[in-house]
Amino acid sequence: SSELTQDPAVSVALGQTVRITCQGDSLRSYYASWYQQKPGQAPVLVIYGKNNRPSGIPDRFSGSSSGNTASLTITGAQAEDEADYYCNSRDSSGNPHVVFGGGTKLTVL
Amino acid sequence: EVQLVQSGAEVKKPGESLKISCKGSGYSFTSYWIGWVRQMPGKGLEWMGIIYPGDSDTRYSPSFQGQVTISADKSISTAYLQWSSLKASDTAMYYCARPTAPRGYHEFDYWGQGTLVTVSS
Repeated sequence: SSELTQDPAVSVALGQTVRITCQGDSLRSYYASWYQQKPGQAPVLVIYGKNNRPSGIPDRFSGSSSGNTASLTITGAQAEDEADYYCNSRDSSGNPHVVFGGGTKLTVL
Repeated sequence: EVQLVQSGAEVKKPGESLKISCKGSGYSFTSYWIGWVRQMPGKGLEWMGIIYPGDSDTRYSPSFQGQVTISADKSISTAYLQWSSLKASDTAMYYCARPTAPRGYHEFDYWGQGTLVTVSS
C-alpha cells in the first residue's frame, strides 16, 4: 500500500506563514485531507479536496497540491494553531484503503 | 446536528474479547461510510478500516485485517469495532469518523470523541 511522508516537526514565529508538506504517490491521484489534533482531543478536519475548508475553520488555513506533494499553509500563524497535523488520502495502489501521514508537530514560537 | 457518540473507556485483560460502538445521529446513517482510526499512546493516526452501513460493505487495512471485525447495525445507527482476543498492544484510543459527503471516503469531517481501550494483566 501507499505511504504518506510528513516532516516530524516544524516551527513558525507567531504571525508568520508556515507550510506543512505531505508526500506520497497516492497524491498524484487523490487530494489530501488535513487534520489538526490538539492534546487530548479528537482530530479536526481543516482542509479537504482541492482547497476546501469546513465551516468554522479560519481562512488562514489553505491547501495546495503539486505532483506527489500536498501542502497545508497557515498564513499568519496563531498560538492556538500549535498542534499535530496529519494528512491522509486514498491509497492509489488499486486497494480500497486510506492512508495517514505520520504527522507533523507544529510549534508556534 | 451530526454527532458520532462512542462507547466509554474499557479496561480489559489480554485474551479477553471486546466490542466498542459508535452511534451516529443527525444524518442518514446508511448513506455515509464510517471509518475507524487507531491512535496508540503518543503516536499518530492509523486507518483501520471502513464500513458502509447501507449494505455492510467493509474494507480493512492490511495491518488490521484478521485482527479486528468492523460491523454495523443500521436499525440503531451504530457501527462497531470488535476484538476476539485482545493483546497489550491493542492499548490505544480508537476513533470512529464520517466523511464529508455520502460518496466520500477519506475526508473525515465528523469524529467520535474516542474510546480509550487499555489492555493490561
